[in-house]
Amino acid sequence: EDKVVQSPLSLVVHEGDTVTLNCSYEVTNFRSLLWYKQEKKAPTFLFMLTSSGIEKKSGRLSSILDKKELFSILNITATQTGDSAVYLCAVPVGGGGNKLTFGTGTQLKVEL
Amino acid sequence: NAGVTQTPKFQVLKTGQSMTLQCAQDMNHNSMYWYRQDPGMGLRLIYYSASEGTTDKGEVPNGYNVSRLNKREFSLRLESAAPSQTSVYFCASKLLAGGYEQYFGPGTRLTVT
Repeated sequence: EDKVVQSPLSLVVHEGDTVTLNCSYEVTNFRSLLWYKQEKKAPTFLFMLTSSGIEKKSGRLSSILDKKELFSILNITATQTGDSAVYLCAVPVGGGGNKLTFGTGTQLKVEL
Repeated sequence: NAGVTQTPKFQVLKTGQSMTLQCAQDMNHNSMYWYRQDPGMGLRLIYYSASEGTTDKGEVPNGYNVSRLNKREFSLRLESAAPSQTSVYFCASKLLAGGYEQYFGPGTRLTVT
């Protein structure tokens, strides 16, 4: 069974801290791994790491994929209150990878 | 471009009532999805439509039906609502070919009493 597990479940940090969010996966036919950010409303797409992509960066956010150990991490440096959100990890599954299986998410709260 | 839109934003139903959640996308995407999100459970796939004219069950299809009305629109119907269907419902879409990223609508918060 395809599975995605995220840790920690929740995290509280102070502005300026660096955080690391974890995502491990078990999937029959690995194609890629996706990270989403969910504030009050809809999840918004952050990164996709493919079998050929190891690290992605976007400003203060970066993500690494370790295909040998079957996990990914999402790093956020110099956190701001606007980074407070649920961060979701997902992997494509099924024929053609046309469906996504999501982890339960990590709730991040950044305090002043 | 509005992206993915959903109606209604909020709904309260009594047990046994029926309703249809509407979803539309203007990104010319082929595939569309319905998810529910419950506390501690993450996003779970209810039904999806890989392309116009096809629909398939996801992880939690019981109690729901869907209709892919055309390439733009994908509706979710609850025939006889139950309290266990209290949830936030998200619609999403993606291109059939290309990347795996899905784009989400703003959600419908449904309460069944």
